[in-house]
Amino acid sequence: GIQVEQSPPDLILQEGANSTLRCNFSDSVNNLQWFHQNPWGQLINLFYIPSGTKQNGRLSATTVATERYSLLYISSSQTTDSGVYFCAVEPGTSYDKVIFGPGTSLSVIP
Amino acid sequence: DVKVTQSSRYLVKRTGEKVFLECVQDMDHENMFWYRQDPGLGLRLIYFSYDVKMKEKGDIPEGYSVSREKKERFSLILESASTNQTSMYLCASSFLTGTDTGELFFGEGSRLTVL
Repeated sequence: GIQVEQSPPDLILQEGANSTLRCNFSDSVNNLQWFHQNPWGQLINLFYIPSGTKQNGRLSATTVATERYSLLYISSSQTTDSGVYFCAVEPGTSYDKVIFGPGTSLSVIP
Repeated sequence: DVKVTQSSRYLVKRTGEKVFLECVQDMDHENMFWYRQDPGLGLRLIYFSYDVKMKEKGDIPEGYSVSREKKERFSLILESASTNQTSMYLCASSFLTGTDTGELFFGEGSRLTVL
C-alpha cells in the first residue's frame, strides 16, 4: 500500500520563526489534506490540496503531485501553532481509504 | 461552518460493558468515518459509511460495529469493551464528491478508558 512519510518528526521553534513541514507519499493520490491536532485532541482542517498552492493567513501549502510531496509553511509562528501536524492522502487506487502520515510534533516556545 | 459533534469527550467503562459512541454532523454529508488514534500507531480507520444503512469495514473493524439509521448520525458500538480498546476515537464526515472521499471534518474526539 501507499506509504506516507512526514518530516521532521519533531520541531521546536522560537515564537516568530518560520518553518516548513514536508509530506512525502509513495504513489499517486486523489487528494491530500493537512490537519493540525490541538492539545485537546481535535483535528482541525488546514488545507484540502490535491495539487497547487493555497494560502490562509500565516499558513500556506503546496502539493506537487507529480513528484509526490506536499509542503506546509508556517510563518511568524505563535505558541498557539503548537501541536501535531498531519498530512492525509487518499490513494489513487482506493476511493475510500484515507491514509494518515505519522505527524510532525511542533512546539513553539515564547 | 461544519459541525461534527461527538457525544462524550471522556468515558470510563468496565471490561465487558457495551459502549456507544455517537457522532452527529450538521452539513448533510454523505460520508461518515470512525477512526481510533493510539500513540505510535497513528490514526486507523475502523468503519465508514457513504449512505444511510450502508457500512464498510476499515482497517481494524474487529471488536466494533456501527449503525447509520439517519444521514446525520453515525454510531460506533463496542459490544463487549476490552482494555485494548482504550483509545481516542475520532469521528469525521465529508461530502460525496464522486472522485474522492472529499474534505474530512473531524469532531472533538472521545477518549475512552476501559478498566
